[in-house]
This record gives sequence, structure tokens and C-alpha cells, in this order.
Amino acid sequence: AQTVTQSQPEMSVQEAETVTLSCTYDTSESDYYLFWYKQPPSRQMILVIRQEAYKQQNATENRFSVNFQKAAKSFSLKISDSQLGDAAMYFCAYRSVVGNTPLVFGKGTRLSVIA
Amino acid sequence: DAEITQSPRHKITETGRQVTLACHQTWNHNNMFWYRQDLGHGLRLIHYSYGVQDTNKGEVSDGYSVSRSNTEDLPLTLESAASSQTSVYFCASSESRGGASTDTQYFGPGTRLTVL
Repeated sequence: AQTVTQSQPEMSVQEAETVTLSCTYDTSESDYYLFWYKQPPSRQMILVIRQEAYKQQNATENRFSVNFQKAAKSFSLKISDSQLGDAAMYFCAYRSVVGNTPLVFGKGTRLSVIA
Repeated sequence: DAEITQSPRHKITETGRQVTLACHQTWNHNNMFWYRQDLGHGLRLIHYSYGVQDTNKGEVSDGYSVSRSNTEDLPLTLESAASSQTSVYFCASSESRGGASTDTQYFGPGTRLTVL
């Protein structure tokens, strides 16, 4: 079974600085999807960014980008020019493309942004 | 706009009571999921459905049941609530294309359940 590990329970960053959140995963599959979800204090889960494993190019969404290292099974999220609104729990998630399988989530990283 | 809603947003109940949490989506998605979120565990999958009359057990299904009688709704029932089921519950949905689930799940706002 696939597993997702987020080794940083908590992180903090100064406003306008850059922070990187780590995620590793374990799978024997060659094709899959990876995601970062954000959960602000409102508790709503919001998709931040997604990566398809067969694509070598790292995904980017405005200030959010990923460093996808397939051989190392690593999928880190970089947040540039951090803003107070970025403070939230961030969850890394994996989904197989084989069959019709649900997401597998990591335990999350709580990010604080310091003004 | 299409959306996914959950009700109630907060619920307090007593041990042994039956509780049903509602989830309704207007995306017309075939796939629906229930998760629970607990400190130190992230989100864990309880049950999921890939269409009407289809239900599947997830990682932590004991003590929970679901039924899918239409596309829009997937209610989650706790048959006999236990204190260990105190948690925040999230419903999510995703689209199917060609029989496979697409990658993006859309989440509801969550229900905070307390079992005393």
C-alpha cells in the first residue's frame, strides 16, 4: 500500500520570505498523481497544486511551486513571498492512476507566517 | 455555482446514539468520499462511493455506514456513537471520466462531532 510522509509537523516563515514543506511517499507504481492541499482555520480543504508523475516539469501555481524528484520519491512544496493568508495546515496526498482508488494523505504540516 | 455542503456543521451527541451526517454535492460527481480528521493522523478514509448503489470501505470503516441512493448525497451514519468517534468529518467528491476517478477532490466545510 502507498504511504505519504510529512516529516515536519510545524514550520514557520517570515512574511515575504520563502518556505519549503517536505513530503515523501512510498509506491511501486510508475504513474500516479501528487497533490498539496491547504486547510486554513476555516477547515475548508483547498487544492493548491497537483503534479502528474509522468511529467518531468515541476508544477507551478503563482507563488506555489513543487520540487518533484521521482527517483527519490520526494514532492516538496515551495511557497514564495509568503503572506499572512498562507498560514494553514498543508497536506500532501497521493493517488494511483491504476483502477479507481482514493487519495492517500500525509499527516500534515502546520505553517505559521510571522508578520 | 456548484458546491458541496455538509450538515450539521457542529453536533454534540451521547454515547450509544445513532447519528447521521449529511453530505450533498451539486457538481453531479459520481465519486464521493468521507474522511475523518484527528490530530496526529491527518485525514483517514472512512467510506467511499463511485456511483449510485456503490459503497466501499476505507481505512477506518468500523462503526460507520453509508448508502448512496442518488448522485447528490452520501450520508454517513454512526450506528452507535462512541467517544472514539469524536472528530472532524469531511465529505469530498470528484468526477469520473471513462470509469476512472479524476485526480482532484473537492471538499465540504466539515462537521465537528463530539460524542460525550
